[in-house]
Amino acid sequence: GQSLEQPSEVTAVEGAIVQINCTYQTSGFYGLSWYQQHDGGAPTFLSYNGLDGLEETGRFSSFLSRSDSYGYLLLQELQMKDSASYFCAVRDQSNYQLIWGAGTKLIIKP
Amino acid sequence: NAGVTQTPKFQVLKTGQSMTLQCAQDMNHEYMSWYRQDPGMGLRLIHYSVGAGITDQGEVPNGYNVSRSTTEDFPLRLLSAAPSQTSVYFCASSASGTRINQPQHFGDGTRLSIL
Repeated sequence: GQSLEQPSEVTAVEGAIVQINCTYQTSGFYGLSWYQQHDGGAPTFLSYNGLDGLEETGRFSSFLSRSDSYGYLLLQELQMKDSASYFCAVRDQSNYQLIWGAGTKLIIKP
Repeated sequence: NAGVTQTPKFQVLKTGQSMTLQCAQDMNHEYMSWYRQDPGMGLRLIHYSVGAGITDQGEVPNGYNVSRSTTEDFPLRLLSAAPSQTSVYFCASSASGTRINQPQHFGDGTRLSIL
């Protein structure tokens, strides 16, 4: 089967940098995605890594290492509005469906 | 610029009642799906559709039915509501179900309580 592990909660200070890790066990997958969800809101797409390496989108970057079954989301210059839950997800090779981690709640302190 | 629209936003049902959660998208997306989200468990796929007339089961399909008669609409039916179905339900769509880098666009969710 497939499974993804993320820390349940991460705390950081406004203006700092934080890394949210995602490790996965899967027999085969197409890339790693990240989504953001504010309390009471809907998930919104942040990034996708189809290949190993770093993808950068503004203050957010995402990394994938297939050999290590590991990825992370890096948030720089943290702002209070970045307080949210962050989910990693992989696309199952057998049916193309997304399999989701349980999410990491990011708490930002002033 | 509606995107994915879900109705209702909130609903309370009694055990044994049936109801339909509505989902519509105006982006001409091929792929649509229904998830449920429970605290600490992320998103779990209930049913999905890769095009009009085609549906398939996800991870947790029991107790739910879907149909896809048009590209735009993908309703989710609860056949006989049970307290275990208390959850937040999200509908999502993407341009393609097989193009692997396509992001999913989510509706605002339906918060459903079964008493």
